[in-house]
Amino acid sequence: EDQVTQSPEALRLQEGESSSLNCSYTVSGLRGLFWYRQDPGKGPEFLFTLYSAGEEKEKERLKATLTKKESFLHITAPKPEDSATYLCAVQAGSGGYQKVTFGTGTKLQVIP
Amino acid sequence: NAGVTQTPKFRVLKTGQSMTLLCAQDMNHEYMYWYRQDPGMGLRLIHYSVGEGTTAKGEVPDGYNVSRLKKQNFLLGLESAAPSQTSVYFCASSSRPLESTDTQYFGPGTRLTVL
Repeated sequence: EDQVTQSPEALRLQEGESSSLNCSYTVSGLRGLFWYRQDPGKGPEFLFTLYSAGEEKEKERLKATLTKKESFLHITAPKPEDSATYLCAVQAGSGGYQKVTFGTGTKLQVIP
Repeated sequence: NAGVTQTPKFRVLKTGQSMTLLCAQDMNHEYMYWYRQDPGMGLRLIHYSVGEGTTAKGEVPDGYNVSRLKKQNFLLGLESAAPSQTSVYFCASSSRPLESTDTQYFGPGTRLTVL
């Protein structure tokens, strides 16, 4: 059974204090790993797709990396507007419909 | 483009009542999904559709039915609501080209309470 585990569950940072969120996964035949941002009361918003180990993608203060067992979302010098829940998801399998499994998220709070 | 829209935004039902949630997308996506999100459990797939006129069961389909009569719309029905169906429901859509990855775009959600 595919599993996606995110840690920590919650993270509180001072503005400017860099840190990383972790997404570890156990799947058979990874096709892609996704990061989403979810603000309170809203739907998840797509951030990145990573396809293979060693790949990195950046967007503003966010940088996502991927290894064979986990992904990290690095947040550099965060601002209060980066406060949100960050979700990780993996797509795995081959042929036909490939299931996407979501983690439970890391709730990030950035304090001014 | 409005993207993915959902109606209603909020709904309160009594046990045993029925209702339909509507999802619409204007991105010409083939795939559409219904998820529920509960505290500590992440997003769980209820039903999905790979194209107009098709539907399939996801991870937690019991108590729900769906229909995809038009490509742009995906309806989720609760025939006899139960308190366990209190949740936030999200619709998503994706283009999902063959053998490619599935970037899903989500609607704003419907918060459903069953008393």
